[in-house]
Amino acid sequence: DARVTQTPRHKVTEMGQEVTMRCQPILGHNTVFWYRQTMMQGLELLAYFRNRAPLDDSGMPKDRFSAEMPDATLATLKIQPSEPRDSAVYFCASGLGSGVEAFFGQGTRLTVV
Amino acid sequence: AQKITQTQPGMFVQEKEAVTLDCTYDTSDPSYGLFWYKQPSSGEMIFLIYQGSYDQQNATEGRYSLNFQKARKSANLVISASQLGDSAMYFCAMREGFNDYKLSFGAGTTVTVRA
Repeated sequence: DARVTQTPRHKVTEMGQEVTMRCQPILGHNTVFWYRQTMMQGLELLAYFRNRAPLDDSGMPKDRFSAEMPDATLATLKIQPSEPRDSAVYFCASGLGSGVEAFFGQGTRLTVV
Repeated sequence: AQKITQTQPGMFVQEKEAVTLDCTYDTSDPSYGLFWYKQPSSGEMIFLIYQGSYDQQNATEGRYSLNFQKARKSANLVISASQLGDSAMYFCAMREGFNDYKLSFGAGTTVTVRA
C-alpha cells in the first residue's frame, strides 16, 4: 500500500527551537510538495521539488524556513527559529510529473508555544 | 486575486440525497486541471476526482461527478447518495499549465450528512 509518510505526526515545541519535519514520498514519485494548513489561510504551498531540485519556494518565509531533498526518498522542512505563528498542520504530497493527482501524507501538526 | 473560490463554508445534507459543492476558478492558461480533495476529521487529504481543461466529458468516479462548465469557469462536485462517511471538508484545487504541478486550493466547504 504505497503512501506518503510524514514524521512526526505531532510536535509541540517552544518558541525559538528548531523544528524538522520529514517526508518519505511514494517510491518512484519525482514531485514533492510542502503545504501548510491553517484556519486563517487555508492550504498554502510552501515549496515544491521535481527530481529533487527546488522549483518554487516563493511561499516559504526564507529567513526561518528551509526545505531540502537530501535524496529521492526523503524531503525535509526545517523551521529555525520557530515562532507561535508557525503553528499549523504541514502536509507533504508527492506525485509523478506526468501524473494527475498528488498524494498527501497525513500531516504533521505543529504547535509552537 | 483568488484562483479558486468556494462560496459555501458549510452545508447539511440528508443521508441518501445528492449534494452539489460549488467551485469557480480563475486562470488565463488554456491548459489546467481541476481537482477535488476530501479531508475528514482525521485530517488526511484524499484525492477524489480530476477534470482536465481539454476533457470533453465530465469526470465521474463512483458517487462523485464533476459538473465542468468551462465557459462559466466552474467545476462543481456532485456527491450522489450521500453517506454518513461523506461528512468532511471538501477542497477544490487547480493546477495551471503543462509543466507546473503545484495546486492552488480553495477555502473548502464543510459537508455534514444527517441520518
